[in-house]
Amino acid sequence: DTAVSQTPKYLVTQMGNDKSIKCEQNLGHDTMYWYKQDSKKFLKIMFSYNNKELIINETVPNRFSPKSPDKAHLNLHINSLELGDSAVYFCASSRWGLDTGELFFGEGSRLTVL
Amino acid sequence: QKEVEQNSGPLSVPEGAIASLNCTYSDRGSQSFFWYRQYSGKSPELIMFIYSNGDKEDGRFTAQLNKASQYVSLLIRDSQPSDSATYLCVCGSGNQFYFGTGTSLTVIP
Repeated sequence: DTAVSQTPKYLVTQMGNDKSIKCEQNLGHDTMYWYKQDSKKFLKIMFSYNNKELIINETVPNRFSPKSPDKAHLNLHINSLELGDSAVYFCASSRWGLDTGELFFGEGSRLTVL
Repeated sequence: QKEVEQNSGPLSVPEGAIASLNCTYSDRGSQSFFWYRQYSGKSPELIMFIYSNGDKEDGRFTAQLNKASQYVSLLIRDSQPSDSATYLCVCGSGNQFYFGTGTSLTVIP
């Protein structure tokens, strides 16, 4: 039973299109994240939600809009896709607390913008 | 700017040797420290976590933490070809995680 699942696993699309990636976790965690991993393999935080509330919003173009309908789901919608958006996007979750718990990652969604 | 620095490598060791991976961090408020392994095309998976100064051993892996020096390391004993991957040092502060750029390790049979 997958702990953090994200769909789709692969996305190939044209510049200017809009796309969404969905993420769900069944671990009972309160906090969910979106990370972007570029071709240099650096994992960069994009957004973090705690119990449906946005708590981290890094310097990300406003073409990227996260949505958390409940604490088990965090979706990412991207408008007007650009070539530089090509990357692997990882969803992750962790428990909320003063001591930082482990991050659990989804399998990643590889986005290719042509 | 909270930074986590790692030597990007690549680090090559022969099979059976000890691989030593190092990491320094800038945020003295960091409370939790993690080592993740990431195989090519896969998601990161947790190898070790450490919260207190000193050593923590789990099988062939030993994590070392020195908060005064702001230094974390991971030792892999009896390295195997299956250990070939990128190793990510991660520091946790509250509910935020700060990632290093990763060290690429190759274990040569």
